[in-house]
Amino acid sequence: SAVISQKPSRDICQRGTSLTIQCQVDSQVTMMFWYRQQPGQSLTLIATANQGSEATYESGFVIDKFPISRPNLTFSTLTVSNMSPEDSSIYLCSVESGVDTQYFGPGTRLTVL
Amino acid sequence: QKEVEQDPGPLSVPEGAIVSLNCTYSNSAFQYFMWYRQYSRKGPELLMYTYSSGNKEDGRFTAQVDKSSKYISLFIRDSQPSDSATYLCAMSEGGSNYQLIWGAGTKLIIKP
Repeated sequence: SAVISQKPSRDICQRGTSLTIQCQVDSQVTMMFWYRQQPGQSLTLIATANQGSEATYESGFVIDKFPISRPNLTFSTLTVSNMSPEDSSIYLCSVESGVDTQYFGPGTRLTVL
Repeated sequence: QKEVEQDPGPLSVPEGAIVSLNCTYSNSAFQYFMWYRQYSRKGPELLMYTYSSGNKEDGRFTAQVDKSSKYISLFIRDSQPSDSATYLCAMSEGGSNYQLIWGAGTKLIIKP
């Protein structure tokens, strides 16, 4: 299985600021995913990031709010822009495996004041 | 109605008990079925993966898929306090439709 790291592991931010979350994987993968998990809730897919193409966003998520970069096959970033307290959540990146499953990073716990 | 239904619990059982966790779904096109375990303040960890119908066993864990009933189960034998976590089911159609559809997650508590 892939080993995935995320930075930062947690952060406390002020309203109106932006935070960029990094996701690094130890092997080359085609597809990376970004999820949001609110406290006590299941996972909600934000977008799918393929290297060399624009990210594909799910309904309710827009590029201006959650810009994503995917510069190579082992790295991606998610920016949470112009944050509000409603953005307080855990943000998770995952990568596709070879058998239609996904492996997850440890998550970034974001609190917006 | 959600595509995947999962009782959020919490489910509390004594140590050593057999635990049964379940999900039902409505999309007959789902082919890949997964169980993830998530400890508090951690990312989800892939626990079991099953393709199509049938059983799969890994140590104390058994995953069952009944596509005719649109019902999947995870059994944990000889449950341990370290099994206390949230268990999420996920499924997908596979192929070009790779998106995982998630259950709500069941919080499991194993009492020593």
